Amino acid sequence: GDSVTQMEGPVTLSEEAFLTINCTYTATGYPSLFWYVQYPGEGLQLLLKATKADDKGSNKGFEATYRKETTSFHLEKGSVQVSDSAVYFCALAGAGSYQLTFGKGTKLSVIP
Amino acid sequence: EAGVAQSPRYKIIEKRQSVAFWCNPISGHATLYWYQQILGQGPKLLIQFQNNGVVDDSQLPKDRFSAERLKGVDSTLKIQPAKLEDSAVYLCASTFSGSFTDTQYFGPGTRLTVL
Repeated sequence: GDSVTQMEGPVTLSEEAFLTINCTYTATGYPSLFWYVQYPGEGLQLLLKATKADDKGSNKGFEATYRKETTSFHLEKGSVQVSDSAVYFCALAGAGSYQLTFGKGTKLSVIP
Repeated sequence: EAGVAQSPRYKIIEKRQSVAFWCNPISGHATLYWYQQILGQGPKLLIQFQNNGVVDDSQLPKDRFSAERLKGVDSTLKIQPAKLEDSAVYLCASTFSGSFTDTQYFGPGTRLTVL
């Protein structure tokens, strides 16, 4: 079945550092890929998505590129802020499927 | 526009008791999902509704869990009887049409603790 593997956390960075959170997936066909974020005390929010190979999703300075050849969708940000502290989830929806399969989440803490 | 509403936000019960959670999706959203998120893990889909019909309940432990969406709007998820391993956050989400490219909007969740 479909699965998502993302890097173990927690990740602690200093403000303005570069962020990469790795995500790889296993799925048949061409899934859609997502990054969701969960801020402390809040519900899950869609951060960005990509629906086909080589698409780049971007939002709030975060980017991720759908790499079919490496089955990856790594999340990057050039300069993190304290307000980016949250748990980040990589997810996929299988081709033609409505359902999301999530990774385990990566907790990011950004210190001033 | 109002988001997905869930209640209660927190619930503590003893094992073998029953509990119910309520979800009201975003107005006009036809598809509704219930997820279970155990601490340290990603959400796992329990059941998906399209309007008032069940699309997929293959991961719902039907011996103890039940869910309904009678009028195609709000939904209730019930656990009876609860077990210790049911301690988790129960998330409700909705989408406009249920297309696989649709954005799922999540509610704040109900945190259940079973003692």
